[in-house]
Amino acid sequence: NAGVTQTPKFQVLKTGQSMTLQCAQDMNHEYMSWYRQDPGMGLRLIHYSVGAGITDQGEVPNGYNVSRSTTEDFPLRLLSAAPSQTSVYFCASSYSVGNEQYFGPGTRLTVT
Amino acid sequence: GENVEQHPSTLSVQEGDSAVIKCTYSDSASNYFPWYKQELGKRPQLIIDIRSNVGEKKDQRIAVTLNKTAKHFSLHITETQPEDSAVYFCAAIGVSYNTNAGKSTFGDGTTLTVKP
Repeated sequence: NAGVTQTPKFQVLKTGQSMTLQCAQDMNHEYMSWYRQDPGMGLRLIHYSVGAGITDQGEVPNGYNVSRSTTEDFPLRLLSAAPSQTSVYFCASSYSVGNEQYFGPGTRLTVT
Repeated sequence: GENVEQHPSTLSVQEGDSAVIKCTYSDSASNYFPWYKQELGKRPQLIIDIRSNVGEKKDQRIAVTLNKTAKHFSLHITETQPEDSAVYFCAAIGVSYNTNAGKSTFGDGTTLTVKP
């Protein structure tokens, strides 16, 4: 099993550009989530999904969209990048809510 | 929404000593409480978790206690070793099918340094 994979590892965007961060898992997990981690801070939940076709907003959803058309994939779209979105983004998955979350390696995003 | 406070933000101990990190949460609907360890530049990894129907859980040198009435839970690491040095995060998650189901809230982290 590859576990949770994320692409790209690094990305630099200009203000106003859009892009999609990819996340995939091969463990048949129902629950998937996206977090951002700013320096010296914990992880803040952006969006999450309890199963294919179901998504919900987390603590900091503004400026981001998600979709969950398959169990395996959970892409995160930045609609119009802003410097405040400079962060490390982690995708995670678990068998269901309330089980161990497995994190991907992260994407380091810089918006200039 | 849920609010999780974690203390202390930094902790330095001598090798062999114990370390204790405490978290408090605000939403009584939260009922799953994991602890994650994150080494520099790496992804968070689960080290121990506890559910609301259990008061204490232990795994070798690591233990977690939960006081639902007071809404706080703690991580205890005994016989610390230099490789325990990392950032530790607590989290609170609602599991039941209510407005919080699936929403996880993390503390801001504790940087633990174990001096040889």
